[in-house]
Amino acid sequence: GAVVSQHPSRVICKSGTSVKIECRSLDFQATTMFWYRQFPKQSLMLMATSNEGSKATYEQGVEKDKFLINHASLTLSTLTVTSAHPEDSSFYICSATQDRPGSIQYFGAGTRLSVL
Amino acid sequence: AQSVTQLGSHVSVSEGALVLLRCNYSSSVPPYLFWYVQYPNQGLQLLLKYTSAATLVKGINGFEAEFKKSETSFHLTKPSAHMSDAAEYFCAVGGSARQLTFGSGTQLTVLP
Repeated sequence: GAVVSQHPSRVICKSGTSVKIECRSLDFQATTMFWYRQFPKQSLMLMATSNEGSKATYEQGVEKDKFLINHASLTLSTLTVTSAHPEDSSFYICSATQDRPGSIQYFGAGTRLSVL
Repeated sequence: AQSVTQLGSHVSVSEGALVLLRCNYSSSVPPYLFWYVQYPNQGLQLLLKYTSAATLVKGINGFEAEFKKSETSFHLTKPSAHMSDAAEYFCAVGGSARQLTFGSGTQLTVLP
């Protein structure tokens, strides 16, 4: 099946710093990538939908200036958590899909962000 | 609008016993339905999907699910649980198989 690589798998940073998370589709072109946030023992909450070459669409309640998303190519999307604070600590997961009927989302392995 | 309800946040079964994880959905359009499995500190792995073909869908690792429109259900089953099946399971619904809405998840524990 298709492979989505997410990097880093774990990051610890100081409060006030910015962190970039990369999501790459390794063997297919992803017209759309999704970014999710998952709190402990909870489900995935969609943060934003990212289409190649256009601005991301953010879900209600997600600060677009806080969570910067760039989808510059068909194989790479990045999520930058700007001026991170302890409440931003969470598990972030990306997924990628192609623009065709019946295509499914392929998920990355996730990034555990801990803000001190 | 779409929504998913997973009944039972925790399910425990003995090794070798039947696994039944429940999922009910709500969708204003014919749904695409999915079951994903998540192991600790990992992303989601697709178990199976329903996309309006056969109502009984077979997936990986011996899992299967049956789409029942009259009951708006898509329950996940496996005849005989294995220790390696212990994980978190998520049911998801998508109107176009692109944007997904996830259920709250069910933690499956397999007892020796």
